[in-house]
Amino acid sequence: DARVTQTPRHKVTEMGQEVTMRCQPILGHNTVFWYRQTMMQGLELLAYFRNRAPLDDSGMPKDRFSAEMPDATLATLKIQPSEPRDSAVYFCASAGSGMLNQPQHFGDGTRLSIL
Amino acid sequence: TQLLEQSPQFLSIQEGENLTVYCNSSSVFSSLQWYRQEPGEGPVLLVTVVTGGEVKKLKRLTFQFGDARKDSSLHITAAQPGDTGLYLCAGGAGYALNFGKGTSLLVTP
Repeated sequence: DARVTQTPRHKVTEMGQEVTMRCQPILGHNTVFWYRQTMMQGLELLAYFRNRAPLDDSGMPKDRFSAEMPDATLATLKIQPSEPRDSAVYFCASAGSGMLNQPQHFGDGTRLSIL
Repeated sequence: TQLLEQSPQFLSIQEGENLTVYCNSSSVFSSLQWYRQEPGEGPVLLVTVVTGGEVKKLKRLTFQFGDARKDSSLHITAAQPGDTGLYLCAGGAGYALNFGKGTSLLVTP
């Protein structure tokens, strides 16, 4: 089965450090989403891309977060500088083209801990 | 933002019991999706409902979309330990989805 691949699976670092999370969407999927999941807030949409163009990043703190899609097989989410409140599980998901509200296929997440 | 409220937040039952969890909103959705998430993994799609009043069955799971397309329910018959997980509903918002906070279900043998 085709899967969304996220790396790293776990990341522990000190506050102030740069963190880069990577996602390989399912081949042929042209919509890529970044989410953050915490116990308090649940699953929050940070940003998403369609055909590699950013469509919405209103859920992302812009002063420290950035999301890019250098090519169709790679999406990145960077935090610089990181803060303890950024500790969460970050998920990438991809969806195919076509009509709205396509089913999303999630990776297994990056569990981020900022000390 | 179209908010989705899920209830109950937590549910602990014994194997063989039936249960229903709910997903409610004040907004109308063009479609609604249900996902299940197991510890250490990402959510996995269970079903999409599109038409008001629609009922879909997936083995022991029955999904219903409200007539007004503002709410949905998931009923599990004879729950099994393998049903344990976080059940999330998500409503369409353009190309993106708005997720509820989920119902965490624990089924004990």
